[in-house]
Amino acid sequence: AQKITQTQPGMFVQEKEAVTLDCTYDTSDPSYGLFWYKQPSSGEMIFLIYQGSYDQQNATEGRYSLNFQKARKSANLVISASQLGDSAMYFCAMREPRSNDYKLSFGAGTTVTVRA
Amino acid sequence: DAMVIQNPRYQVTQFGKPVTLSCSQTLNHNVMYWYQQKSSQAPKLLFHYYDKDFNNEADTPDNFQSRRPNTSFCFLDIRSPGLGDAAMYLCATSRDRAIVGSQPQHFGDGTRLSIL
Repeated sequence: AQKITQTQPGMFVQEKEAVTLDCTYDTSDPSYGLFWYKQPSSGEMIFLIYQGSYDQQNATEGRYSLNFQKARKSANLVISASQLGDSAMYFCAMREPRSNDYKLSFGAGTTVTVRA
Repeated sequence: DAMVIQNPRYQVTQFGKPVTLSCSQTLNHNVMYWYQQKSSQAPKLLFHYYDKDFNNEADTPDNFQSRRPNTSFCFLDIRSPGLGDAAMYLCATSRDRAIVGSQPQHFGDGTRLSIL
């Protein structure tokens, strides 16, 4: 079964607008961590933001925020005020220490293209 | 400033000719990972080291081997590369593996491997 589902293969967004990238996950662990990574065309994977399953507040890091809805098992990434440099592939990932220890389960990714 | 360094960025080898990819880190992290990523797909974990303890994924082909001579360095050896092994290879590190927390995996820039 898919642990992480990203249903949007590709998205276009106008510069300066906000964009929401969907991520749903499946786990029976009570304790888990959710991560978002950005991968530009050059290939490096850049860590953006983290949300722990017990965190009460939604995570924010600059222009990135995570809309965490635990009951729905979703962890959507919101990028505000999009910039041309935000064009990249974005991966949602989950870490389950109890059942899957160290491993990150990745979604299939969403390609974001920011238009001027 | 680079903390996880992969060399080379691009590697071309011939079908069946052994090739070694290298990764070094300045973070003093216990865990080092190797991922294979094919075009527009999520990274796939090949194996990881927790200190000197080697952990192979069940579906990693025997053709892929790894060495970690010390904390800082880890190598990926492909004994007889086939055309299907052409991919981006990503090295990552993390401080430890079992503790839940906002400890992301830190990735290198990757090595793009082409097979002639």
